[in-house]
Amino acid sequence: AQTVTQSQPEMSVQEAETVTLSCTYDTSESDYYLFWYKQPPSRQMILVIRQEAYKQQNATENRFSVNFQKAAKSFSLKISDSQLGDAAMYFCAYSGPGANSKLTFGKGITLSVRP
Amino acid sequence: DTGVSQNPRHKITKRGQNVTFRCDPISEHNRLYWYRQTLGQGPEFLTYFQNEAQLEKSRLLSDRFSAERPKGSFSTLEIQRTEQGDSAMYLCASSLSSGGPQETQYFGPGTRLLVL
Repeated sequence: AQTVTQSQPEMSVQEAETVTLSCTYDTSESDYYLFWYKQPPSRQMILVIRQEAYKQQNATENRFSVNFQKAAKSFSLKISDSQLGDAAMYFCAYSGPGANSKLTFGKGITLSVRP
Repeated sequence: DTGVSQNPRHKITKRGQNVTFRCDPISEHNRLYWYRQTLGQGPEFLTYFQNEAQLEKSRLLSDRFSAERPKGSFSTLEIQRTEQGDSAMYLCASSLSSGGPQETQYFGPGTRLLVL
């Protein structure tokens, strides 16, 4: 079975600084998809960024980028120029290939941003 | 496009009662997922539909749980004889599967259930 591990329960970053959130996963598949979702307090979960395992290039979305290390099964999220609105719970998630589209989530990490 | 909606947003019930939640996906989305999220944990997959067909159910979905998507549009999740352990946030997500690369799931705001 696939597992996703987020070992840091909480992190804090100064506004305008950079922070990296860690995630590791375990799978026997060679083709799969990885996601970072953001869940603000009392608000719905939204997709931050996604990475296809067959792509060697790391995904980037504005201030958000990932460091995807397939051999190490590591998928970290870097947030640059942190903003107060980045404060939220962040979940790393895995999805298998083909029709196996359900998401397996990590426990999440609570990110606080200090003004 | 108003996104995924869920009703009710909050539900308090007594142990042993039945509850039903509704999810309205994004209109053109053919896949609909249900997840459960307990405090301090990530969401856990319960079940999903492609159109009206229920394609997969988690072992978390005991026989007290049933989900339907009768016309391939909205879905309902019913919990019979609720137990205190059912207290959680129930999340619905939808996506458009076109046979290509893995689609993105869009989440609703969730229904928070408290069983007393």
